Amino acid sequence: RKEVEQDPGPFNVPEGATVAFNCTYSNSASQSFFWYRQDCRKEPKLLMSVYSSGNEDGRFTAQLNRASQYISLLIRDSKLSDSATYLCVVNLPGANNLFFGTGTRLTVIP
Amino acid sequence: TAGITQAPTSQILAAGRSMTLRCTQDMRHNAMYWYRQDLGLGLRLIHYSNTAGTTGKGEVPDGYSVSRANTDDFPLTLASAVPSQTSVYFCASSDGTEAFFGQGTRLTVV
Repeated sequence: RKEVEQDPGPFNVPEGATVAFNCTYSNSASQSFFWYRQDCRKEPKLLMSVYSSGNEDGRFTAQLNRASQYISLLIRDSKLSDSATYLCVVNLPGANNLFFGTGTRLTVIP
Repeated sequence: TAGITQAPTSQILAAGRSMTLRCTQDMRHNAMYWYRQDLGLGLRLIHYSNTAGTTGKGEVPDGYSVSRANTDDFPLTLASAVPSQTSVYFCASSDGTEAFFGQGTRLTVV
């Protein structure tokens, strides 16, 4: 079983739509959680960390549910520039390893 | 600021040849990683290093070796390349919270 699993999509949404991605992780001792964004043919870059209490950054909201072992990313009022692949990332305890989901591809359509 | 630098950016390599992918960071991060990214499989960890002088195997280590002689450099070596090693390779470093990626190396083994 993979450490991190995501729905690969693709998600095709119109501008202004709200879209949500979910990600599940298998190790209940996982300590840190992140969402990364990767543009085509570019390196991944940190979008936001995910905290237990949930956190928001502008149009982006991240949530963590430890009991169900999933994290989510909500994007409101989608922009064309939001088109990218969104990677769920989990930091496993001890080994300081970051494990990535396969990514969810989002295309925002004019 | 340089951050994390990979070289070369792309390479075509004959099967059976050896090659070293270079990775250098100037952020003094203890942890460094090598990932490969393949369509539909996402980022998979090849090897990691938690600190200079130590290395560990990731999810897909076979056919690859690494060394960590100092904090800044983390080269990845393919001793005898095979076509299945055709991929995009990303080096990353982490301060324990966020991972920073190089721009990637596109390797084609023919």
